[in-house]
Amino acid sequence: DIVMTQSPDSLAVSLGERATVDCKSSQSLFNRSNDNNYLAWYQQKPGQPPKLLIYWASAREFGVPDRFSGSGSGTDFTLTISSLQAEDVATYYCQQYYSGSTWTFGQGTRVEIK
Amino acid sequence: QVQLEESGGGVVQPGRSLRLSCVASGFPFSTYGMHWVRQAPGKGLEWVAFISFDGNNIYYADSVRGRFTISRDNSKDTLYLRMNSPRPDDTAVYFCAKPVASVLSSYFDDWGPGTLVTVSS
Repeated sequence: DIVMTQSPDSLAVSLGERATVDCKSSQSLFNRSNDNNYLAWYQQKPGQPPKLLIYWASAREFGVPDRFSGSGSGTDFTLTISSLQAEDVATYYCQQYYSGSTWTFGQGTRVEIK
Repeated sequence: QVQLEESGGGVVQPGRSLRLSCVASGFPFSTYGMHWVRQAPGKGLEWVAFISFDGNNIYYADSVRGRFTISRDNSKDTLYLRMNSPRPDDTAVYFCAKPVASVLSSYFDDWGPGTLVTVSS
């Protein structure tokens, strides 16, 4: 099974500053046939279900603020919040959907205000 | 718009069974595979099971294979998860999730609010 590992487990960032979350997969999520990385990012706030932010590693879901961006390829990926807002306090998860028979999440990264 | 509503959670004794339901609306349920994902208290997300649109393809996480059964009734737009012989470490909020497309390698674009299952004697 593909293992997803996020770092750090938590981080505290000042309002307006950049927050960066890394995600590493145990095998490549890149499909050469369509040039896509099968990696998504979700945001989850307490008491709520996860919300899709990013798919195909870097495509922003409709309605997601452009301060959220995804990058990376193969086994190494990054979620960046360019200017942290109070409403961005949440736990963020990466997920691989490359396998087609198992769908694996990272352990989550909690983002807080410093 | 898409709506997913789970039900059936509650307190269940270890070894007893429980069936969760997820009623879907706002999209052609019978043409989409569907997932169950769970989250133990204070923990991260864990994918549990997948069923294809027609029920012919089913996958489970190792942690539940042989104990849980995913099924669906397309005439009722409803997804199910039968939890047999639950253990205390199955205690979690259980979400149903819809993939964005009816292909296996797909991310999830809609989630239900979840239903809490507590396994305790």
